Amino acid sequence: RKEVEQDPGPFNVPEGATVAFNCTYSNSASQSFFWYRQDCRKEPKLLMSVYSSGNEDGRFTAQLNRASQYISLLIRDSKLSDSATYLCAVNTLTAGNNRKLIWGLGTSLAVNP
Amino acid sequence: DAMVIQNPRYQVTQFGKPVTLSCSQTLNHNVMYWYQQKSSQAPKLLFHYYDKDFNNEADTPDNFQSRRPNTSFCFLDIRSPGLGDAAMYLCATSRDGLASRQQYFGPGTRLTVT
Repeated sequence: RKEVEQDPGPFNVPEGATVAFNCTYSNSASQSFFWYRQDCRKEPKLLMSVYSSGNEDGRFTAQLNRASQYISLLIRDSKLSDSATYLCAVNTLTAGNNRKLIWGLGTSLAVNP
Repeated sequence: DAMVIQNPRYQVTQFGKPVTLSCSQTLNHNVMYWYQQKSSQAPKLLFHYYDKDFNNEADTPDNFQSRRPNTSFCFLDIRSPGLGDAAMYLCATSRDGLASRQQYFGPGTRLTVT
């Protein structure tokens, strides 16, 4: 099982739709969780950190479920400009007792007019 | 604006010809990372520096080396690039090693090996 797994894409949705992505992680010792957005051939950019209580930023809502070991990202009222790949990143304690970000493969979202 | 800068943005090198990619940051962050990202794959951490302390990932080939001469600059050296090393190389920084810290990425250097 991969350490961090994301929904397989691509997601094709019409403008205005609500879309949700999930990301599961295998290491229960994981401490911090992030959603990054990556546009084609560009660098990842932080979209949201994910807090235990859940957090919202405009049209974006992130949730953490520690018991089931997953995080989610909800995008409401999708815009064309939301088209991108969404990467889940989990800060995890490794076997060597080091902390590192483990990345999912990303979920591709295409918002269509 | 404070930022992470990578040069060059695009690099073409020949098979076996050493190449150096550079990264600089004006954020005054303690930690600098080098990632390799291939198409449709997750970023793969190669190594990172916490201040001057170098931390290599166990699966990073010896062909990849790094230098951090000061807080602001970090270099990635590929001693003998192979065709499989063609990728986007991303430099990132974080203020410190705390789990909650986000990483800030540079725009990347896209490496082509001919």
